[in-house]
Amino acid sequence: GQQLNQSPQSMFIQEGEDVSMNCTSSSIFNTWLWYKQEPGEGPVLLIALYKAGELTSNGRLTAQFGITRKDSFLNISASIPSDVGIYFCAGQAAGGSEKLVFGKGTKLTVNP
Amino acid sequence: NAGVTQTPKFQVLKTGQSMTLQCAQDMNHEYMSWYRQDPGMGLRLIHYSVGAGITDQGEVPNGYNVSRSTTEDFPLRLLSAAPSQTSVYFCASSYSRGAYTFGSGTRLTVV
Repeated sequence: GQQLNQSPQSMFIQEGEDVSMNCTSSSIFNTWLWYKQEPGEGPVLLIALYKAGELTSNGRLTAQFGITRKDSFLNISASIPSDVGIYFCAGQAAGGSEKLVFGKGTKLTVNP
Repeated sequence: NAGVTQTPKFQVLKTGQSMTLQCAQDMNHEYMSWYRQDPGMGLRLIHYSVGAGITDQGEVPNGYNVSRSTTEDFPLRLLSAAPSQTSVYFCASSYSRGAYTFGSGTRLTVV
């Protein structure tokens, strides 16, 4: 099945710093999504991307759908303590499948 | 709107026991999925459904059964629990193209 390679696995940053994480796939995807999970909760959708090259923002978060359709990245600007959590990329492969597959996550720690 | 409701929140089973994890959504979403989350493994798809009466296997379907008799409900059945099925299980629903809303999870321990 499709595999998503998400990096980095973890990040330790200072409050106010910018953060960047990315996700790559060996196959073409039609949809890329970014989720955030906090302890004890289910993932929450942050940004959805549906077209190659698309760049979408949600407050301090910006995500892009790669031109090759095999990658996506998420940037967080001016991080704050409540950004702490695990960020997951997810995608749906080309071919009409409704399966949504996930990367293994990037654990973000923000030091005040 | 309750969103996606999962019950129970916690469960301990003995090896060989069976049980059903319940999932209900009140958003009239066609697409529903079950995932399991294990440390360092991300979320892995168990089964999914694109509408009432239609289900399909995900990445890790062995040991689990599903059915979808209504739009609202998508129960996950463990026929004979094994310690390898100790995990956190998430149900999710979507109206289209991957924008899934997740429940808060069921934490299952098999001893």
